[in-house]
Amino acid sequence: GENVEQHPSTLSVQEGDSAVIKCTYSDSASNYFPWYKQELGKGPQLIIDIRSNVGEKKDQRIAVTLNKTAKHFSLHITETQPEDSAVYFCAASKKNFGNEKLTFGTGTRLTIIP
Amino acid sequence: GAGVSQSPRYKVAKRGQDVALRCDPISGHVSLFWYQQALGQGPEFLTYFQNEAQLDKSGLPSDRFFAERPEGSVSTLKIQRTQQEDSAVYLCASSGAISYNEQFFGPGTRLTVL
Repeated sequence: GENVEQHPSTLSVQEGDSAVIKCTYSDSASNYFPWYKQELGKGPQLIIDIRSNVGEKKDQRIAVTLNKTAKHFSLHITETQPEDSAVYFCAASKKNFGNEKLTFGTGTRLTIIP
Repeated sequence: GAGVSQSPRYKVAKRGQDVALRCDPISGHVSLFWYQQALGQGPEFLTYFQNEAQLDKSGLPSDRFFAERPEGSVSTLKIQRTQQEDSAVYLCASSGAISYNEQFFGPGTRLTVL
């Protein structure tokens, strides 16, 4: 089955600086890669996603890049703000007639230092 | 609200008790997923429903775990004879179509088995 590895496990960044989180996946058939933000006591919330036919996607301060050859993808957050502090998860799935079950990484706890 | 809701939010059970966890997906969503999230880990897939049909239960850790969605909307995850290793947050997610769609997560039920 799919295996997703995520690094780093913790990351502290000065407010206003950029944060980068990296993930690798094992199944070359995976073709959908979402990123979720999870705050304490809440369920994961999708912040951005990318499909395998695209190399990069950007949404305001958040961007994701995908390297299919190397089987890795990254989340970039620019101009970080205190409200960006949370746990971030990458995930991977493949099209399977609706059963696009997600395989998650182990998470990155991001702390923004004011 | 229009989001995924789960109840109860917190459940404490004595070892050996049976528990039932409820998920109310977004109205009209075809696909429903259950995930288990251990402390400090990413969510792990348990089972998948397409309408009322349980099409994938490969992630259920033992035959003590049972899920149903009899009318294709509300789903219940039941755990019989709970064990301490069942302590985790149980997350429900729904998505709107039988094809790549964002999975919307509920807030989860935190189960503690004493």
